Amino acid sequence: GENVEQHPSTLSVQEGDSAVIKCTYSDSASNYFPWYKQELGKRPQLIIDIRSNVGEKKDQRIAVTLNKTAKHFSLHITETQPEDSAVYFCAASRGGGFKTIFGAGTRLFVKA
Amino acid sequence: DVKVTQSSRYLVKRTGEKVFLECVQDMDHENMFWYRQDPGLGLRLIYFSYDVKMKEKGDIPEGYSVSREKKERFSLILESASTNQTSMYLCASRGTGGYTEAFFGQGTRLTVV
Repeated sequence: GENVEQHPSTLSVQEGDSAVIKCTYSDSASNYFPWYKQELGKRPQLIIDIRSNVGEKKDQRIAVTLNKTAKHFSLHITETQPEDSAVYFCAASRGGGFKTIFGAGTRLFVKA
Repeated sequence: DVKVTQSSRYLVKRTGEKVFLECVQDMDHENMFWYRQDPGLGLRLIYFSYDVKMKEKGDIPEGYSVSREKKERFSLILESASTNQTSMYLCASRGTGGYTEAFFGQGTRLTVV
């Protein structure tokens, strides 16, 4: 079946450094790739998403890149802050499709 | 403000009990989902529903069933709870359309003893 692989499972960075999380998807028909952030004890919430007709999208300190050929997409966080500490999930779904497949999550620690 | 509400935040049940987890959304979304979240395994899809009375199995449906009698409500049923079903359960809803985000409930932490 379809799956999304996410790496690394844990990432620790110093405040101000950059963090990169990478995902690979298997379903070549996927065309929507959201990223969710889950703070401790809270629900996952969308932070950024990208569509398959776009190679890169940026929102302040967060950017996402997509390589459709390699079926690979990444989240980049620059100038990390302690409040960026959370679990991040990548996901993939088909347009109009019902299922969103999530990666296993990356626990990001930002040390002050 | 969009809302997905799960009926319980914490639940403790005994092995063999029938357990109902309820989820209600107020966004008129067609699609609703049940996930379980376990450390290191991320969010795994149990069941989803794309319309009233319609349901589809996800990746780990064994030991679970669902009910969607009304558009706003999606119930997850554990017919006979077992200790390996101890987990965090997350409900989500999503509108129809290619590029729509999923909105999550606050989660139900279920412990089966």
